[in-house]
Amino acid sequence: QVQLVESGGGVVQPGRSLRLSCAASGFTFSNSAMHWVRQAPGKGLEWLAVISYDGTNKYYADSVKGRFTISRDISKNTLYLQMNSLRPEDTAVYYCARDSTIFGVAGHFDNWGQGTLVTVS
Amino acid sequence: QSVLTQPPSVSGAPGQRVTISCTGSNSNIGAGYDVHWYQQLPGTAPKLLIYGNNNRPSGVPDRISGSKSGTSGSLAITGLQAEDEADYYCQSYDNSLSGEVFGTGTKVTVL
Repeated sequence: QVQLVESGGGVVQPGRSLRLSCAASGFTFSNSAMHWVRQAPGKGLEWLAVISYDGTNKYYADSVKGRFTISRDISKNTLYLQMNSLRPEDTAVYYCARDSTIFGVAGHFDNWGQGTLVTVS
Repeated sequence: QSVLTQPPSVSGAPGQRVTISCTGSNSNIGAGYDVHWYQQLPGTAPKLLIYGNNNRPSGVPDRISGSKSGTSGSLAITGLQAEDEADYYCQSYDNSLSGEVFGTGTKVTVL
């Protein structure tokens, strides 16, 4: 079955960087667009970024544009989120999610990871 | 800030029917983009509940249904059960933001 496992979270100081990983298994990773979504403590879901099946198209929410970079390594079946210039308001649980389409635009998230907590303090 | 608005909370007794609205605009739901729904149980990741306005993934009971009209979507839960107590989020695409958007979230309480 589809499995998504995030890692890389932790406590980081403001202004520093962190890279999250999402290991995918149970499906053909190269056939799916992938997203990052976060949830601040006690708050709702916030979409952050999407990458198309082949990595050529990437889109970002305004809140992270220019600071965060989404990427994928097909050979490792792994999705990444490079987070730079972190701020206290970036504190959240970060989820990776599989899109129902190959381009990741206007689809839905059919599988989610368990999340990894990032604390900026 | 979310561009899709949901009521903060709804509640009902076991066996009753509850509905959750998701109000958007002409740049998202009203532009023809689908509405999708997710259930988030306490301390867990979101789970897809309804996709493409009114389709249920396998394993989701038929007492859960979705609909869309104009600039809004709606989720209905009939025969409310204790296991339905969770947070629910709608999601769509917004062409002015060029990205996915989530609703503000609704907490369902079973009385």
